[in-house]
Amino acid sequence: DQQVKQNSPSLSVQEGRISILNCDYTNSMFDYFLWYKKYPAEGPTFLISISSIKDKNEDGRFTVFLNKSAKHLSLHIVPSQPGDSAVYFCAATGRGSTLGRLYFGRGTQLTVWP
Amino acid sequence: DAGITQSPRYKITETGRQVTLMCHQTWSHSYMFWYRQDLGHGLRLIYYSAAADITDKGEVPDGYVVSRSKTENFPLTLESATRSQTSVYFCASSESVRTGTEAFFGQGTRLTVV
Repeated sequence: DQQVKQNSPSLSVQEGRISILNCDYTNSMFDYFLWYKKYPAEGPTFLISISSIKDKNEDGRFTVFLNKSAKHLSLHIVPSQPGDSAVYFCAATGRGSTLGRLYFGRGTQLTVWP
Repeated sequence: DAGITQSPRYKITETGRQVTLMCHQTWSHSYMFWYRQDLGHGLRLIYYSAAADITDKGEVPDGYVVSRSKTENFPLTLESATRSQTSVYFCASSESVRTGTEAFFGQGTRLTVV
């Protein structure tokens, strides 16, 4: 059963607007979350992460928000650019049985159009 | 060159054959991972290793074998390939998946089992 869920397989946004990608998780052991970006025919590359002791982390145009009570995180990209078009994966790791493992969601294909 | 490399990039094999996918990293990272990417499933963890001679199963380990005799290498073997193992395989390494240290991915191996 998927422990990290990305329920939107695709998202289309106009250049300059905000992109919001969502992720839910089910395992209470998770306490560290990451977002990866993937272009076709390439490996995923790290984008931004957040620890469960925080509720927000910002890096340039990218901000990740964490709502622990809802077991939900989101990635905001502002402003969106055509080069942001890629598949975005949410990932999680944590304590106990999840220690050392990195679990991924199914990904969301973001398309930013001019 | 520093980094993580996978070989081969593309492989076609027949059902029942044994095939080994290679992964080599130059950072001396402790953790290494094997994932498979399939449409509709995202990235699923096959096996991971926390250090040389320490390996553990991920979400989908059946039909696969790994070893890690040296820190820098983490080969993945399909003992008797099946069509369901047709996929894109990604190797990754990380000093730690926590404390802000992300995992770095190779470019992937596209495996087709006919």
